[in-house]
Amino acid sequence: EPEVTQTPSHQVTQMGQEVILRCVPISNHLYFYWYRQILGQKVEFLVSFYNNEISEKSEIFDDQFSVERPDGSNFTLKIRSTKLEDSAMYFCASSGTRGDEQFFGPGTRLTVL
Amino acid sequence: KNQVEQSPQSLIILEGKNCTLQCNYTVSPFSNLRWYKQDTGRGPVSLTIMTFSENTKSNGRYTATLDADTKQSSLHITASQLSDSASYICVVRGAGGSYIPTFGRGTSLIVHP
Repeated sequence: EPEVTQTPSHQVTQMGQEVILRCVPISNHLYFYWYRQILGQKVEFLVSFYNNEISEKSEIFDDQFSVERPDGSNFTLKIRSTKLEDSAMYFCASSGTRGDEQFFGPGTRLTVL
Repeated sequence: KNQVEQSPQSLIILEGKNCTLQCNYTVSPFSNLRWYKQDTGRGPVSLTIMTFSENTKSNGRYTATLDADTKQSSLHITASQLSDSASYICVVRGAGGSYIPTFGRGTSLIVHP
């Protein structure tokens, strides 16, 4: 059964460093998403991506964040200068069409020290 | 502001027992409501989707209800199993231009033997 994969599973970084979180969406999906979940809190939408451009983004997704689909399979989230409050679980998701069910990856736990 | 509230925050039941989780939302206009199961350290997995015209939908031992007039939904779990221990998240999507979903905080369910 096709699934969304994410790497790494856990990333530890120093405050101010850049991190890139990687995702491989389901192969025939066209819409891609990033979410984050701070420990003990609800899942929050960050950004959606379609046709090589951002479709929607939340207030959380500021200039420190960027997304890219560098090739036909990977979808990345870059945080330019990490802050302590960026520590969270980051989930990638993909869907076939805009309103379809989103399939979530297992997440990357980001710890900023 | 779109909000999704879930209750109870946490629930402990014995294996084999039934339980019902609640979700109230203020998202308007309404498109659909999904219940997700999120195992610890994993991404959410969709259990059911309810649209405006649907009142009840079942998926195995999971039965979701929707009252679009009162903006309430419930998830009933029958004959609980240890593997049902997880967080159950209600996610509501509005109709119109934005496809950004609104997540509830989830109900943490623990099933004891």
